[in-house]
Amino acid sequence: TQLLEQSPQFLSIQEGENLTVYCNSSSVFSSLQWYRQEPGEGPVLLVTVVTGGEVKKLKRLTFQFGDARKDSSLHITAAQPGDTGLYLCAGARDYKLSFGAGTTVTVRA
Amino acid sequence: DVKVTQSSRYLVKRTGEKVFLECVQDMDHENMFWYRQDPGLGLRLIYFSYDVKMKEKGDIPEGYSVSREKKERFSLILESASTNQTSMYLCASSSRTYEQFFGPGTRLTVL
Repeated sequence: TQLLEQSPQFLSIQEGENLTVYCNSSSVFSSLQWYRQEPGEGPVLLVTVVTGGEVKKLKRLTFQFGDARKDSSLHITAAQPGDTGLYLCAGARDYKLSFGAGTTVTVRA
Repeated sequence: DVKVTQSSRYLVKRTGEKVFLECVQDMDHENMFWYRQDPGLGLRLIYFSYDVKMKEKGDIPEGYSVSREKKERFSLILESASTNQTSMYLCASSSRTYEQFFGPGTRLTVL
């Protein structure tokens, strides 16, 4: 059973459109991280959110951490083909991470 | 930049063989991790180590063992490889924070 549920599992959109990926859990985490993974490579950290209600912006990417520190979302504005990849959320507890199954995002030119 | 390297990008082994996967990090990180990644399941933690010669089981340790003789090196051992261990294996390291840095992965096929 996955501790973190990500939705949707797959997302295919046209360049310039917006998208949102969700990460939900019934557990509370010390922090939540988002990673992006490209084919044939390991995941690369995008952001860490720590405080309930926190919002972080990274250029066209906006990350939110839920007030209760159980869920998070990733919003991409005006998606570009370079945003294509597997997006993974991970909840942190006791120096370990629990990962969601991932959302595969494809941005068509 | 943190660099985590894994000994092989691709590996093909036969059922019953002993398999060694090596991981080396160059940032003096205390913590090291081994995951396997399968489609639709995300990353699942096999073993982790928070110090030299220390190891802890993760969520799916069955069929695996690990070794950490030096701080920078963490090895994953499949004592007798089976076909259900065909997967992508990822190594990661971290300092006393939760931010993990990953290697490029080893795609293992067991025939």
